[in-house]
Amino acid sequence: GENVEQHPSTLSVQEGDSAVIKCTYSDSASNYFPWYKQELGKGPQLIIDIRSNVGEKKDQRIAVTLNKTAKHFSLHITETQPEDSAVYFCAATSGGTSYGKLTFGQGTILTVHP
Amino acid sequence: GAGVSQSPSNKVTEKGKDVELRCDPISGHTALYWYRQSLGQGLEFLIYFQGNSAPDKSGLPSDRFSAERTGGSVSTLTIQRTQQEDSAVYLCASSLTSLGGEQFFGPGTRLTVL
Repeated sequence: GENVEQHPSTLSVQEGDSAVIKCTYSDSASNYFPWYKQELGKGPQLIIDIRSNVGEKKDQRIAVTLNKTAKHFSLHITETQPEDSAVYFCAATSGGTSYGKLTFGQGTILTVHP
Repeated sequence: GAGVSQSPSNKVTEKGKDVELRCDPISGHTALYWYRQSLGQGLEFLIYFQGNSAPDKSGLPSDRFSAERTGGSVSTLTIQRTQQEDSAVYLCASSLTSLGGEQFFGPGTRLTVL
């Protein structure tokens, strides 16, 4: 089955700096890669996603890049703000009968210091 | 509009007791998922209901775990003869179709087995 590795496990940055979180996946059939943000006591919330036919996607301060050959994808947050502090999870899903079943990374605790 | 809701928000039970966790998905969403999140860990897939098809139960950790979805809407996750290692946050998510795409998560049920 799919295996997703996420690094780093913790990330501390100063407000205004950029933050980058990286994930690798094992199943070359995976074709959908969402990123979720989880605040304390809440369920994860989708912040951006990318499909395997696209190499990069951007939404304001957030961008995701995908390298299918190397089987890795990354989340980039620019101009970080204290409210960006949360746990971030990457995930991957394959097609076929397991379509929709997400395999998650272990999460990255992002702390943005004012 | 209303999001995914789960009840109870917290459940404390004694080892050996059975528990039922409820999930109300977003109206009209055909796919429903259960995940488990242990302290400081990523999300672990448990079970996936996709429309009228047979559910994907491949993530259930033992035969003490079962789930059903009645009328294509509300779902109940049942854990029989609970063990301390079952303590975790149980998250439910739903998506518009069974073809993948954004999964909307509920706030979770925190289960503590004493």
